[in-house]
Amino acid sequence: DAGVTQSPTHLIKTRGQQVTLRCSPKSGHDTVSWYQQALGQGPQFIFQYYEEEERQRGNFPDRFSGHQFPNYSSELNVNALLLGDSALYLCASSFSRSTDTQYFGPGTRLTVL
Amino acid sequence: GQNIDQPTEMTATEGAIVQINCTYQTSGFNGLFWYQQHAGEAPTFLSYNVLDGLEEKGRFSSFLSRSKGYSYLLLKELQMKDSASYLCAYNQAGTALIFGKGTTLSVSS
Repeated sequence: DAGVTQSPTHLIKTRGQQVTLRCSPKSGHDTVSWYQQALGQGPQFIFQYYEEEERQRGNFPDRFSGHQFPNYSSELNVNALLLGDSALYLCASSFSRSTDTQYFGPGTRLTVL
Repeated sequence: GQNIDQPTEMTATEGAIVQINCTYQTSGFNGLFWYQQHAGEAPTFLSYNVLDGLEEKGRFSSFLSRSKGYSYLLLKELQMKDSASYLCAYNQAGTALIFGKGTTLSVSS
């Protein structure tokens, strides 16, 4: 049973560029959440997708956008990258019930130069 | 994290017991999660408390008091591999997890 997978593992971009990160949820899960984790901090909620729509959003600017596909996989897009966007981006999947445990993927380490 | 606090660092020795505390302030609280995160890796699920009381899972136990906005994670018979960051998180109305900054636990021999 495959767990949550993310790609790429690492990514280096320069300021102003755009990036797309990908996530495939754990088998049987239909909900994908994205988190940003800066060094030494806990993960910060970006948004959550369910039934191909953004269900909930955290306090992140519109430069952060996402998409969910019919197979439940998801993408996170960040436009106009800033140095402060350098972080570990974590995808978590769960079943649609609100109290269900979220399981995390290995993350994508984004470095913005 | 938002209105959720836990100590930054703790140290302990192999075989010992350690308690990591977490306090939170929120409305629309559903439950309290604990995750373990080794350096450079993803958080892995440890426990989820919805009701008040103690939940035991092998060497790890988690406690919740909803009225006091307080939880703790208890680790017994510490092993070197328990050196990691321990994250507490709650989910509000809705499903987002709100995390604390994490407690880095160092276990020495």
